[in-house]
Formats: sequence, C-alpha cells, structure tokens
Amino acid sequence: AQSVTQLGSHVSVSEGALVLLRCNYSSSVPPYLFWYVQYPNQGLQLLLKYTTGATLVKGINGFEAEFKKSETSFHLTKPSAHMSDAAEYFCAVGYNQGGKLIFGQGTELSVKP
Amino acid sequence: GAGVSQTPSNKVTEKGKYVELRCDPISGHTALYWYRQSLGQGPEFLIYFQGTGAADDSGLPNDRFFAVRPEGSVSTLKIQRTERGDSAVYLCASSPNRVEPQHFGDGTRLSIL
Repeated sequence: AQSVTQLGSHVSVSEGALVLLRCNYSSSVPPYLFWYVQYPNQGLQLLLKYTTGATLVKGINGFEAEFKKSETSFHLTKPSAHMSDAAEYFCAVGYNQGGKLIFGQGTELSVKP
Repeated sequence: GAGVSQTPSNKVTEKGKYVELRCDPISGHTALYWYRQSLGQGPEFLIYFQGTGAADDSGLPNDRFFAVRPEGSVSTLKIQRTERGDSAVYLCASSPNRVEPQHFGDGTRLSIL
C-alpha cells in the first residue's frame, strides 16, 4: 500500500529564509510524486512533479524538490521565502496504473516579516 | 482557459437529506477524480472516471455515496441520507489522462446540520 508522511504540520520561517518541507513516502512500485499548494478557500495548485528521469525537479514560484529513492523522500525547498508563500502544502504519491493520488496530511507554512 | 468548475461552492443541508455536487472538468480531459478533504487533513480519494466509466471507486466510504459521468464530461457526486460526518470540502480534479497531473477545482464546502 502507498502512503505519504509529511513531517511537521506547521512550519514557520522568516521572510528571506530557506524553506524546507519534508515528505516521505512508501510505495511498492516506482512512484509518481507531486507537491501541491492550497491557499485558503481554494483548490490545489500543482507546484511540481516527479515521474522519471532527473531527480531534482524545479517547479513554479522558485520551489524545487529532490527525489531520493534510498531515503524514500521528496522534500520541497525554496532558497528564500516570500510572504506570498504562506499556504498549506501537500505532498502526494501516485502510480500510473490507477491515477488516484494519496496525499499527506499537509504542512502549513507561515512566513514572518 | 477555463479550469475545473464546481457547483455549488457551498451547500448547507440537514441530516438525512439528499445532495448532489457537480463538477465541470477542463474541456477534453478524459480523467476525472473526486476527493474529500476534512478539516485539517489532506484530500482523500473517492472515485476516478476514465471517460464515462468508473475505473476505480475504491474510495467511496459506503453505499450512500454514488457518482456518475454519463457523457464523459460533467460529473455529479450524489450523497443519500446525509450524516454530520459527511461535512467536508469535496474536490474535483481532471487530467488529460491518468498519467498527467490533476487540475483541481475550488471545491464544494458541504455542511450537514
């Protein structure tokens, strides 16, 4: 069975500081991995995805994530936080047979001025 | 272009009533998904359509929940004999196929009194 664990339900950083949101997954087959962002009262917006190939994936708004198979991790990073990055972030795993996504519990990111 | 549209955006009803939630996917997207997001949680998969047929309905919690997509475009999620525990945000997503990333609507917030 597949599952996703996001370490830390809430992360707070100062504006301009490094953002690191942690995601670990379990999957019995090669995973497809995603990060989505959710702003209040809105749906989920895709930040980036990993399917195959290069393990360092760059997404929108300056975010990137690295797939590490040996660690079963897909952590999300951004070198310098901006106030507009404050939102809920979800890591998700899928696989090509089913299409459905399994989401983590989410991490709320706060950015302090 | 137009994104995934969900109506209504909010629905308040009494316990025991029947509700229908509508999803208009992005034009041309053959895959359509329903998820349920409870407060403070990540989305949970309910059902996945490929075209008109339900390819995976393993996430439907019980037989009170049913979904249709008769013409391969618009989908309706139907909930009978609603219970207070059904209160959540119901998210719809679509994608060109089961491999491509899913695009989410803003959801329908369902409140059962």
